[in-house]
Amino acid sequence: DADVTQTPRNRITKTGKRIMLECSQTKGHDRMYWYRQDPGLGLRLIYYSFDVKDINKGEISDGYSVSRQAQAKFSLSLESAIPNQTALYFCATSGPWTGVSLGEQFFGPGTRLTVL
Amino acid sequence: EDQVTQSPEALRLQEGESSSLNCSYTVSGLRGLFWYRQDPGKGPEFLFTLYSAGEEKEKERLKATLTKKESFLHITAPKPEDSATYLCAVQAGNTDKLIFGTGTRLQVFP
Repeated sequence: DADVTQTPRNRITKTGKRIMLECSQTKGHDRMYWYRQDPGLGLRLIYYSFDVKDINKGEISDGYSVSRQAQAKFSLSLESAIPNQTALYFCATSGPWTGVSLGEQFFGPGTRLTVL
Repeated sequence: EDQVTQSPEALRLQEGESSSLNCSYTVSGLRGLFWYRQDPGKGPEFLFTLYSAGEEKEKERLKATLTKKESFLHITAPKPEDSATYLCAVQAGNTDKLIFGTGTRLQVFP
């Protein structure tokens, strides 16, 4: 089974609709992230969470919200979807910094979202 | 402003033709530089972390190196299965956030 799973894998929705993307992980990591990927722009951080009680905005959080329901679950919501939110969305997890490792991020398979 | 630039954007190689991908960065206080591989329709897959100038890491046909301004991903005798987009990211300052480049799309044909 995959360590980081995302649902749905593909979603087509209409402008103005509310949509939730879900992420679950079995790696036991405390840190979770949401990114979006657009052609020519690379991966950009939307929100990140270091534990259940800690939520932080990334560089492009406007129009998005998140919920950390448990250590293993981190959801991303688009309250009122718009066409320029059409993108590939990735969830990632990482372990803590240690004296040896920075805590590499491990990515889920992605959700392809299309807003019409 | 922290920035990561990858070149070339795309690279076509014949099987067995070695080459290098470049990742140049301008950040305040580099903590680490990461290389990822991404196949179409999939999430990035971790390859390497480099922490300090002069460091090198290898995995099969891939070797990553780091200087104070850039990193190279050397691909020796590539095979078609090495075809993918290779992403570079840096972690800077006292932060857990990664700054990604836009990637190099590598195609290796027989």
